[in-house]
Amino acid sequence: EPEVTQTPSHQVTQMGQEVILRCVPISNHLYFYWYRQILGQKVEFLVSFYNNEISEKSEIFDDQFSVERPDGSNFTLKIRSTKLEDSAMYFCASSSDISYNEQFFGPGTRLTVL
Amino acid sequence: RKEVEQDPGPFNVPEGATVAFNCTYSNSASQSFFWYRQDCRKEPKLLMSVYSSGNEDGRFTAQLNRASQYISLLIRDSKLSDSATYLCVVKYTGNQFYFGTGTSLTVIP
Repeated sequence: EPEVTQTPSHQVTQMGQEVILRCVPISNHLYFYWYRQILGQKVEFLVSFYNNEISEKSEIFDDQFSVERPDGSNFTLKIRSTKLEDSAMYFCASSSDISYNEQFFGPGTRLTVL
Repeated sequence: RKEVEQDPGPFNVPEGATVAFNCTYSNSASQSFFWYRQDCRKEPKLLMSVYSSGNEDGRFTAQLNRASQYISLLIRDSKLSDSATYLCVVKYTGNQFYFGTGTSLTVIP
């Protein structure tokens, strides 16, 4: 069964550093998403991406964040100048059809900012 | 505002019991509705979409009341494997998905 994969599973970084979280969506999917979940809190939408551009973003997704699909398979989330409050689980998701809406989530990357 | 509210629980029920979860959403400009389940420290997984007419998938029944901005999930004949956090998700106009905080369920032998 096809699945979304994410690397690394756990990333530890120092405050102020830049991190890149990587995702490989399901191969025939067209819509890609990043979410974050701070420990003990709800899953929060960050951004959706379609046709090589951002289609929606939340208030959380400010200039500190950027996304990119550098090739035909990877979808990355870059966080510049990380802060302590960026520590969270970051989930990537993909879906094949916006009208169908079913999103498949990756296992997540746990980001710890020290 | 686009809020999704759920009773966080926890719900502790014996095997075989029927349990119901409720969810309310605050913005009428909502398009689609879903229930996801999330096991501890794992990713959310789609349980079922929620249709206006209500829908059933085995032991699970979902209902939508647009007038009251209310969604429900009913689980019949609870199994130990149903223990998880159940997330109510609302998609608003565009492509943004809003998650509730989740309702924790533990099914006890």
